[in-house]
This record gives sequence, structure tokens and C-alpha cells, in this order.
Amino acid sequence: GNSVTQMEGPVTLSEEAFLTINCTYTATGYPSLFWYVQYPGEGLQLLLKATKADDKGSNKGFEATYRKETTSFHLEKGSVQVSDSAVYFCALTKNRDDKIIFGKGTRLHILP
Amino acid sequence: DAGVTQSPTHLIKTRGQQVTLRCSPKSGHDTVSWYQQALGQGPQFIFQYYEEEERQRGNFPDRFSGHQFPNYSSELNVNALLLGDSALYLCASSLLGGDASGANVLTFGAGSRLTVL
Repeated sequence: GNSVTQMEGPVTLSEEAFLTINCTYTATGYPSLFWYVQYPGEGLQLLLKATKADDKGSNKGFEATYRKETTSFHLEKGSVQVSDSAVYFCALTKNRDDKIIFGKGTRLHILP
Repeated sequence: DAGVTQSPTHLIKTRGQQVTLRCSPKSGHDTVSWYQQALGQGPQFIFQYYEEEERQRGNFPDRFSGHQFPNYSSELNVNALLLGDSALYLCASSLLGGDASGANVLTFGAGSRLTVL
């Protein structure tokens, strides 16, 4: 079945460090891919998305590129801030209006 | 513009009891989905409602049921509560057909945290 696997956390970095959170997926066809972020005490928020191969999603300095050949959608940011501390979820949906399948989440701690 | 609102934010029940959680979708959205998020896990899809009918269902027992009202708001009901039902229950709304890019983008509420003792 369709699934998402992301690196386990927690990930702890110093402010201004480079961030990579790995995400790979299993799905037939061409799913849409997402990164959602969950700040403490809040619901999930869409961070970025990509709907077809080689698309790059970007938002708030975060980027992720849809790689069909490696079935990956790794999240990157060049210089993290303390305010980026949160849980990040990689997710996919097979078809428009279909359920969204989430990974287990990666907790990120940024130290000042 | 209010986003997705859920109530109650926290509640405690005992095994065997029943619970009802409520959700008001984001203005302009017509579809409501419910997810269960256990501690330290990603959200798991329970079901989705559109036009007052259950449109899709995840791998959850019949103890989990729902309803959507004409104003698009929704309820999640869980009967015969088990300890394992303790979780954060997330409501998410969307527009059937997706956004301008055609992607199914969900707007989530902050959740209702259920503790079953």
C-alpha cells in the first residue's frame, strides 16, 4: 500500500545550521507530496507541496524537490531559526480528494 | 477569517463511555476529514465527509462514526471507548476538487485531546 517513511527524530541543531529531513514514499503512479508542520499546541499547517515529478515546493525558506527516480521528497533549509522548532510531517495523497497519508513525524529542536 | 475550530479542546472519559467531538470547517470549505494522532505518531485517517455523506473511510472500527450537517460542520462519535482511543483527534477541512494546483490541501484545527481512563 501507499506509505511515507521519514527520518526519526529528534533532530537537534544550532541556530543558522543547515537542515535536511529525509522523506521517502511508496506509491504507484504520481502522488502529490506535502510537508506539514505542527508547532506546540497547534494543529498541522501546510508548509509546502509538489504535485508532479521535479517540482520544487518552497515556503518560509524551506524547500523540497519531488524526485520520482528516488521516490523522495527531502525537506531542506539553509539556515534554521529557533522559531523553526516543531514537528515536521511528510505526507502524500494518491489522487485529488483522496485521503492524505502521513509519516510518523520528525521533531526538530533548534538551539540558540 | 476563522480557520477550523474544534471543541472541546480536552476531555477525559472512562472506558465504555461515548464521546462526541465537534468541528467547524474553514469558511468556503465543503469537505471535512477526521484524523487520529496518537502520541509520537503521525495522523491516521478516520473518514471524510462531503455533502453530508461519508465519502471515504480508513481502517477504523464501526465504533467510530460521524456526521456532517448542512452548514458543513461535522461531528465525530466514538462508542464503547477503549484505553487505546486516547489520542489527539484532528479535524481538517478542504475544498473538494483541490486548490488551484489541483492538490488536496487540508486546513487543520488544533485538535481535541481525548484521554480514556
